[in-house]
Amino acid sequence: DVKVTQSSRYLVKRTGEKVFLECVQDMDHENMFWYRQDPGLGLRLIYFSYDVKMKEKGDIPEGYSVSREKKERFSLILESASTNQTSMYLCASSPPPRRQTQYFGPGTRLLVL
Amino acid sequence: AQTVTQSQPEMSVQEAETVTLSCTYDTSESDYYLFWYKQPPSRQMILVIRQEAYKQQNATENRFSVNFQKAAKSFSLKISDSQLGDAAMYFCAYQGGSEKLVFGKGMKLTVNP
Repeated sequence: DVKVTQSSRYLVKRTGEKVFLECVQDMDHENMFWYRQDPGLGLRLIYFSYDVKMKEKGDIPEGYSVSREKKERFSLILESASTNQTSMYLCASSPPPRRQTQYFGPGTRLLVL
Repeated sequence: AQTVTQSQPEMSVQEAETVTLSCTYDTSESDYYLFWYKQPPSRQMILVIRQEAYKQQNATENRFSVNFQKAAKSFSLKISDSQLGDAAMYFCAYQGGSEKLVFGKGMKLTVNP
């Protein structure tokens, strides 16, 4: 079974802090994704990566950056956390070719005070 | 840009009965995939079923089936013999010519015993 893990289930940070959210997958997938989930808005793509050191902006990249130094690990970085970044963050991975099932992690619920 | 619409934010069904979740999408692409994902309370998002647009036959997975109407751009999910474990948020998603998934806003399904 594919396993996607996220470093924290719950996280509380202060405004202005730098926040790192880590995601690790164990199935050697090329593609990895970061989504933000908000009630009434569904899931929105922040960034995705289709290979090590490669990244592409999703629909809402502002205020976020990402890092993919190793194939199995994809990090989401909030450079200076703000209260409007309070949300559920979901990581996912998928193998090539295109249009394969995405496998999701359990999510990190982030509260920015 | 592609959009996915789930018009009903909540539905309920009696255990053992059948329920249909609606989804419409908008695209100018001819080649794409459609997905239904399920997110149980406090658990990971998992794939329920997927449909390739070029296939005329509707996909089925045990108690789950879809009604794919390509001309109408409609992709509904039917759950037969509903079980308590079907209670979840359900998301319809579209994937066209890239790795990006476009999600609907989700629908909360309650199963009453």
